[in-house]
Amino acid sequence: AQKVTQAQTEISVVEKEDVTLDCVYETRDTTYYLFWYKQPPSGELVFLIRRNSFDEQNEISGRYSWNFQKSTSSFNFTITASQVVDSAVYFCALSEADTDKLIFGTGTRLQVFP
Amino acid sequence: ETGVTQTPRHLVMGMTNKKSLKCEQHLGHNAMYWYKQSAKKPLELMFVYNFKEQTENNSVPSRFSPECPNSSHLFLHLHTLQPEDSALYLCASSLPGQGGVAYGYTFGSGTRLTVV
Repeated sequence: AQKVTQAQTEISVVEKEDVTLDCVYETRDTTYYLFWYKQPPSGELVFLIRRNSFDEQNEISGRYSWNFQKSTSSFNFTITASQVVDSAVYFCALSEADTDKLIFGTGTRLQVFP
Repeated sequence: ETGVTQTPRHLVMGMTNKKSLKCEQHLGHNAMYWYKQSAKKPLELMFVYNFKEQTENNSVPSRFSPECPNSSHLFLHLHTLQPEDSALYLCASSLPGQGGVAYGYTFGSGTRLTVV
């Protein structure tokens, strides 16, 4: 069965601090895809990144970076020099190659204070 | 503009009312989804439609009735709801077929539903 665990319910940081959001997944498939979405207070889920199971290269996009480690089934997300605008709920998600479903974690609420 | 448009953004309804939520996309996607997001709960997949056909009903009570007249439109008809049905209802779409979800979903902004 597929499952996504985001153990951190809520994280609070002060602006300019670095913060890492954890994501651990379970799947029996060898081909799968991992995602991060951001949900600001307005409600819509905004796509941030997609990673397939054959690509373990870490990725950096501006202040965002992602660390994919198959050995620990983790796909962690780091925000460097956090800003107030980063305040949102962040969801990690998993899809297996033979399914038409995205399974989400419970989300991590990040609050960045000025 | 996210590409997936949901209306209304907010809805307050009584338990005896009948209302409908609407979702529209013109992204060329053929898979559409309804999710429910309650406070302090994970996103719950409700329904999946592929090429207008319902392929998944995740044990959703019959007071929620989906309709997908074409690949661009998805409705959620609501009747005799309960206060615990109050939640954010999110619509999403993805590329055709099972492989399409590998590219992720595009979400709408949701309808915030309050049942009184």
